[in-house]
Amino acid sequence: DVKVTQSSRYLVKRTGEKVFLECVQDMDHENMFWYRQDPGLGLRLIYFSYDVKMKEKGDIPEGYSVSREKKERFSLILESASTNQTSMYLCASGELRGRGEQFFGPGTRLTVL
Amino acid sequence: AQKITQTQPGMFVQEKEAVTLDCTYDTSDPSYGLFWYKQPSSGEMIFLIYQGSYDQQNATEGRYSLNFQKARKSANLVISASQLGDSAMYFCAMREALSGNTPLVFGKGTRLSVIA
Repeated sequence: DVKVTQSSRYLVKRTGEKVFLECVQDMDHENMFWYRQDPGLGLRLIYFSYDVKMKEKGDIPEGYSVSREKKERFSLILESASTNQTSMYLCASGELRGRGEQFFGPGTRLTVL
Repeated sequence: AQKITQTQPGMFVQEKEAVTLDCTYDTSDPSYGLFWYKQPSSGEMIFLIYQGSYDQQNATEGRYSLNFQKARKSANLVISASQLGDSAMYFCAMREALSGNTPLVFGKGTRLSVIA
């Protein structure tokens, strides 16, 4: 079974803190994705990566950065957390070829106070 | 413009009945794929079913089937014989250009509640 793990299920941080959300997948997938999910807005793509050290902006990249130093790991960074970044963050991975199905991690619920 | 539209924020269904969750999509790309995911209260997104734009038959996976009407650009999910465990958020998603690195685009979701 594909396994996508995220470093924390729940996280509470203060405004202005630097926040790291880690995601690891064990299926050797080329693609990895970070979404945020807010009530009534569905899933919105923040960044994705199709190879090591490669990244592409999604629909809402402002206030976020990412890092992919190894194929299995994709990190989301909030350089200076703000209260409007309180959300559920979902990581996913998927193959480059084929139908493009994405496999998701359990999510991290981040609260910024 | 929204690429994926789910017009039903919430739905109720009686246990053992069938339910249809609506999804319409917008694309000019002839090659695309359509997906449905389930998100229980635990938060994890679970892949349910896939339909390719060139597939001749509607996709089925157990109690899930996809009513694909290409000319209407709709891809409704049908759940037969609903169970209490089907209560969850359901998301429709699309991937354009079946090759390459295009990510999925998601709708806003429909919350399904199954009543005993």
